[in-house]
Amino acid sequence: QKEVEQDPGPLSVPEGAIVSLNCTYSNSAFQYFMWYRQYSRKGPELLMYTYSSGNKEDGRFTAQVDKSSKYISLFIRDSQPSDSATYLCAMNREYGNKLVFGAGTILRVKS
Amino acid sequence: ETGVTQTPRHLVMGMTNKKSLKCEQHLGHNAMYWYKQSAKKPLELMFVYSLEERVENNSVPSRFSPECPNSSHLFLHLHTLQPEDSALYLCASSQGWNVEQFFGPGTRLTVL
Repeated sequence: QKEVEQDPGPLSVPEGAIVSLNCTYSNSAFQYFMWYRQYSRKGPELLMYTYSSGNKEDGRFTAQVDKSSKYISLFIRDSQPSDSATYLCAMNREYGNKLVFGAGTILRVKS
Repeated sequence: ETGVTQTPRHLVMGMTNKKSLKCEQHLGHNAMYWYKQSAKKPLELMFVYSLEERVENNSVPSRFSPECPNSSHLFLHLHTLQPEDSALYLCASSQGWNVEQFFGPGTRLTVL
């Protein structure tokens, strides 16, 4: 079993839709949870960063962490064509330098 | 230059060649990383350097040899690679652990 599972997609939605992206994980030691966005031919850039369980909102983006279910989500409201990218979840233990990534979900927002 | 830069952006090499990838961070960070990104697979951490010392070597074959001469520069020396080593190689940096890692644009490597 992979440490982090993420549906590769692609996920295609119309402009303005609410998008839900998810990851599940198996290691209960993970405490830091991140979402990265990667455009074609670019490196990943950090979108959201949360510690432990709970919700965090930043503009159109909301990150949720449910440690009891080992499940994290990223919601994008009012999706735009410019949101079309690959979204990577990543997580880390309490003390450590080793981020573990999901394989990424390809999102396509059609105008 | 700002952020994390990587050169070259594209590299094609034969299995008997020797080449090097270069990464430079302009952020004043104290940790640098090499990752491998293959199609439809998660990013794989290869090496971590903290304060110019290697602190992580994630069971990477010896045909990949990292070098960190100072806190701003990181190299990945390549020799006698295999076609399955073809991938996007990403460099990242951070200030400490469990914080945001800033990625460069990557080097697209093709091994013939």
